[in-house]
Amino acid sequence: EDQVTQSPEALRLQEGESSSLNCSYTVSGLRGLFWYRQDPGKGPEFLFTLYSAGEEKEKERLKATLTKKESFLHITAPKPEDSATYLCAPYGSSNTGKLIFGQGTTLQVKP
Amino acid sequence: NAGVTQTPKFRVLKTGQSMTLLCAQDMNHEYMYWYRQDPGMGLRLIHYSVGEGTTAKGEVPDGYNVSRLKKQNFLLGLESAAPSQTSVYFCASSWREPPYEQYFGPGTRLTVT
Repeated sequence: EDQVTQSPEALRLQEGESSSLNCSYTVSGLRGLFWYRQDPGKGPEFLFTLYSAGEEKEKERLKATLTKKESFLHITAPKPEDSATYLCAPYGSSNTGKLIFGQGTTLQVKP
Repeated sequence: NAGVTQTPKFRVLKTGQSMTLLCAQDMNHEYMYWYRQDPGMGLRLIHYSVGEGTTAKGEVPDGYNVSRLKKQNFLLGLESAAPSQTSVYFCASSWREPPYEQYFGPGTRLTVT
């Protein structure tokens, strides 16, 4: 059975304090892994898709990486506006169109 | 482009009442999805559609029905609402199946008393 676990559940950082969020997954035949950002009271916003182990993608202060078992979202010198819940969702060959979302990591960046 | 829109934004129902949530997308996407999001449970797929006139069950389909009569619209119905259906409902759409990314609407907060 495909599974995904995100850690930590919550993370508090000071502005400028870099850190990483983890997404561990068990998926048959990984075809891609998505990262989304969700602000309170809003729908998830697409950030990245990673397709294969070793791939990296960057957007402003965010960098997503992928291994065969995990994905990391590295946040470099975060700002208060980076505060949000970050969701990952791997997709495997057996999912037939369905994503399995992790429960998310809620990041709070204090000025 | 408006992207994905959802109607209504908020709704309060009494147990046993029925209602329909409307999702519309203007991106000409083939795939559309309905999710519910509950604290500690994450996003869970209710039903999805791979094209006009098609629907399929997701992870938590019981108590819900859907219809996709037009490509741009995906309706989620609750025939007899229960308190367990209190949740935030999100619609999403994508051009094709994953790994094409899904674009989400703003959500509908439903409370069943």
